This record gives sequence, structure tokens and C-alpha cells, in this order.
Amino acid sequence: QLQLQEAGPGLVKPSETLSVKCTVSGGSIDSIDSNWVWIRQPPGKGLEWIGTIYYNGESYKSPSLRSRISISVDKSRSQVSLRLTSVTAADSAMYYCARDYIWGSFRWQDAFDVWGPGTGVTVTS
Amino acid sequence: SSELTQDPAVSVALGQTVTIACQGDNFRHHSATWYQQKSGQAPLLVFYGKTNRPAGIPARFSGSTSRDIASLTITGVQAEDEAVYYCQSRDSSGDHVLFGGGTKLSV
Repeated sequence: QLQLQEAGPGLVKPSETLSVKCTVSGGSIDSIDSNWVWIRQPPGKGLEWIGTIYYNGESYKSPSLRSRISISVDKSRSQVSLRLTSVTAADSAMYYCARDYIWGSFRWQDAFDVWGPGTGVTVTS
Repeated sequence: SSELTQDPAVSVALGQTVTIACQGDNFRHHSATWYQQKSGQAPLLVFYGKTNRPAGIPARFSGSTSRDIASLTITGVQAEDEAVYYCQSRDSSGDHVLFGGGTKLSV
């Protein structure tokens, strides 16, 4: 059974870089079904898509965050990583990774079917 | 369009039927996906595509789309269905994921 577990620093100072990792277990990180998405949720607010990385290495990012984020996969460690540079208080949130399950013929025919429990990040000096 | 609009809150009596709506411009081209989030938990996928419920999701959850409105219907609401429900789809390019603001369902 596929399981995801996020790990982050908890606290980050303004202007620094946030790094969050998602460890994949119970399934392969290197298969045609291995597409991964990052989503965040500020306290008391809704869900915000950050970006998606596909099996073939292609990635798509939120237009509002594109210049500050990078997403990568480390197959040797079965980890998906998110880096967010130049953080501010507005980046304080629960950060979730999830599997992007493509159920149709096109990559946009998808659903996020397995989620990690999330890791909370607070940006504070 | 780059927005999905949901009513902030809906209430329903136990055992009744409730429909949670999501308005967006791209449902002719991109289907809606629905997630349930209970307090303190990660979201849970409850419906996707035209007819798909993940394993373990009760049959009382169903979805539909008409023109620019996607709907999640819960028939015979149970107390454990109290949660925030988010719709999700894509922008017109298909490259970017959109989430609605969420609807808090009170039972």
C-alpha cells in the first residue's frame, strides 16, 4: 500500500530557503504511475497547488510561485523534494505531497489519490 | 478563467441529501475532482471523472457536471460526512491545477 511521509524544518526564517521532502514507501517512485504533486494549506485556509512532477521528469508549477520553486525526484532515496526560495510569512502553511494518479488518456485527467499527512512550516524570525 | 467558486458553507439534516456546487469556466474540457477534508487531517479523494469513486468511498457520494457547474451530491448524509469539501480542476491550458475555496458541510 502506497504511503507518503513529508518532512520539513518546522521553522524557517524570512528570506531563507524552505526544503521539504516526501518519502515514498510501499510502491515504486520510478514507474509510469509515479507522478507527484505538492500542495499547501495556510492555517485556516484552503488548498493551494504548488506544482507537479511527472514520471518523465516534466514539471509544471503554479504561476504565482514558479520563480521560487523547484521540484525534483531522488529515485535512490525514494523521495520527492520541494524547494521554495525567499520565503515570507505568507509561505507559512501545511505542506502536503500526494500522488497524481492519471485515470484518463491525458495528464490533466487526474486525481490526487494518496496523500501524506503533511508537514507544518512556519516562517518566522 | 482561473477560478473555481464554491459556497463557503452548507448545512444539511442527518439522512437528507445535499449537493455541493463548484462553478468554473472549464468544465466542458476538464472534469471536476472532489476531496473531503476533516479537521486536522489530510484531504481524501472522494470522486473523480464522470463516475469514479475510489475504493472505500461510500456509494452515497456521487458527482455530476452541467455546463459551468460541477456538483458533489451526498445522498443520505451521515454524521461522519461533516467536513470541508474542495473541488479541483484545471485551467484552460490544462497545465495548472485549480482548487475551489472549499465548502464546509455541517450535519
